[in-house]
Amino acid sequence: GAGVSQTPSNKVTEKGKYVELRCDPISGHTALYWYRQSLGQGPEFLIYFQGTGAADDSGLPNDRFFAVRPEGSVSTLKIQRTERGDSAVYLCASSLTGGSNNEQFFGPGTRLTVL
Amino acid sequence: GNSVTQMEGPVTLSEEAFLTINCTYTATGYPSLFWYVQYPGEGLQLLLKATKADDKGSNKGFEATYRKETTSFHLEKGSVQVSDSAVYFCAVSDRSQGNLIFGKGTKLSVKP
Repeated sequence: GAGVSQTPSNKVTEKGKYVELRCDPISGHTALYWYRQSLGQGPEFLIYFQGTGAADDSGLPNDRFFAVRPEGSVSTLKIQRTERGDSAVYLCASSLTGGSNNEQFFGPGTRLTVL
Repeated sequence: GNSVTQMEGPVTLSEEAFLTINCTYTATGYPSLFWYVQYPGEGLQLLLKATKADDKGSNKGFEATYRKETTSFHLEKGSVQVSDSAVYFCAVSDRSQGNLIFGKGTKLSVKP
């Protein structure tokens, strides 16, 4: 079956612009996670959705970052007033019900470059 | 909060050599532990996991044992192949939600 997909695969934007990154999880997975991976680092947790609600957004770095999952499936990560330091690969993962006993399946990521 | 420290790379080995990548963690409670792998040009994928003390996770010839007394989860393989060349990430999870805390990753290159 289809895995986790993310669009776009690459996004180049200018400092100060607004961007949206999309994640399509595996069908039927209620848990969805966003991570950010900077060059040479491991992924860092941003936000966790259980269904439509953000169960934990403690990893969002500041209020320029926001994410939604209105119908409990597709999620969009939104970044306002982008800064050069936001450049990274943004990863999305989904799992069947959340919790540590369910494997997270990762998408290929969106590489964001802020000029 | 939870954190992971893993061996810095890059690691270069000859085919059939023995591999160890060290990983230690700090965590409250009883987290689950994971090794993820990222092959060139591919996304992150789960390699193995262990959910309680003394559990051994294994897959594709790789093994790691959950050692609570030393807070470690070292990755081992007895005989590496060129196809094992990848970046390996150790991770610890929050048990209730499952969000993962990753180490910085260790790049492994295996030469024929």
